Amino acid sequence: DADVTQTPRNRITKTGKRIMLECSQTKGHDRMYWYRQDPGLGLRLIYYSFDVKDINKGEISDGYSVSRQAQAKFSLSLESAIPNQTALYFCATSDAGPWDQPQHFGDGTRLSIL
Amino acid sequence: AQRVTQPEKLLSVFKGAPVELKCNYSYSGSPELFWYVQYSRQRLQLLLRHISRESIKGFTADLNKGETSFHLKKPFAQEEDSAMYYCALPPDSGAGSYQLTFGKGTKLSVIP
Repeated sequence: DADVTQTPRNRITKTGKRIMLECSQTKGHDRMYWYRQDPGLGLRLIYYSFDVKDINKGEISDGYSVSRQAQAKFSLSLESAIPNQTALYFCATSDAGPWDQPQHFGDGTRLSIL
Repeated sequence: AQRVTQPEKLLSVFKGAPVELKCNYSYSGSPELFWYVQYSRQRLQLLLRHISRESIKGFTADLNKGETSFHLKKPFAQEEDSAMYYCALPPDSGAGSYQLTFGKGTKLSVIP
């Protein structure tokens, strides 16, 4: 299922660099999400967007920013990367309507900050 | 506040043995719970949801409102079941929450 596509799949960069992770979807979903996954901590929500004009902070938004360029695109930026942002990042989408919609995930971006 | 607890970080069972992955929750209303599975180096996939009452890959989960649990069960474990399993609660818009709440996950290891 390549309906939710994340680029790049892997990235290694240095402390202080600006990084953008991109997510695009062909599912036609209004709602999009960015999570990070860390061993022992599970998934934590960074930002979410319910439509192009609606952006909301999640549980751990500090150090991150997002842009919803279109219904199909939701980008995550690290303005000045630091080593503790090393993690696996997932984008997800869900349909509008009842809040109990399942979420559909991308393959993830493995980010390493040196 | 809504919360999901998966008490076991790691669960190891032998092939053919029964499996039970525990999930307990706190929620203000009547929840629609999910189980997601993540195989090695793959994306999270929806395994099953409470409302559908389906059996997917031999797994079932029953919502027990009295015990506030949604444990995932399979009578006979297979090696291909080895993965990370996440229990999740949907947003509780009535409480002003619009976030899917995940447990911290349980890594299931099936020993051949």
